[in-house]
Amino acid sequence: DAGVIQSPRHEVTEMGQEVTLRCKPISGHNSLFWYRQTMMRGLELLIYFNNNVPIDDSGMPEDRFSAKMPNASFSTLKIQPSEPRDSAVYFCASTFGLAGVRGTQYFGPGTRLLVL
Amino acid sequence: QKEVEQNSGPLSVPEGAIASLNCTYSDRGSQSFFWYRQYSGKSPELIMFIYSNGDKEDGRFTAQLNKASQYVSLLIRDSQPSDSATYLCAVNEDDYKLSFGAGTTVTVRA
Repeated sequence: DAGVIQSPRHEVTEMGQEVTLRCKPISGHNSLFWYRQTMMRGLELLIYFNNNVPIDDSGMPEDRFSAKMPNASFSTLKIQPSEPRDSAVYFCASTFGLAGVRGTQYFGPGTRLLVL
Repeated sequence: QKEVEQNSGPLSVPEGAIASLNCTYSDRGSQSFFWYRQYSGKSPELIMFIYSNGDKEDGRFTAQLNKASQYVSLLIRDSQPSDSATYLCAVNEDDYKLSFGAGTTVTVRA
């Protein structure tokens, strides 16, 4: 299996621009997670989906952030408009089953976002 | 988000020694505990999980869980330079979510 695939791997944009991050989970996994990692705040869960349905988006920092999962093999995280404080590494992870039972989360390589 | 506390380090150990990493968590209802390793510039990868009180061994790694004390630890025996990384402790919040600690950076001196 190819693992979790994320694109782009690096993104440099200017403040105010729209940014779209993409994720393809591992085939057969039914839960997908978007995380953000910074030195100051560590690894933060932004949103997660189960069976393509958003379950908890309480970690989404503000309305500029949105996420979709139109099917089992694709998800997007969009930032519009982007701001310099959004600069971080964004990880997508997927798993099958429940975190408490079989929830080994497999992380993608991440997207390094720099907003100038 | 439930609290997961780790010493940030850095923890420096000589090659061949035992590295001991500690993690405490706030939610007594947590059932599942994970240790992830993250090399610089890479993504986290799972190295151990533990559900029951006591010890769980996997190769050079041993996870220890004490639910009464809300404490989970990771021991790395015969530390190698390749073990130099940041180790993240994670605890389940509910059926799906994990809360991660800030991580402990380990450096193994050759």
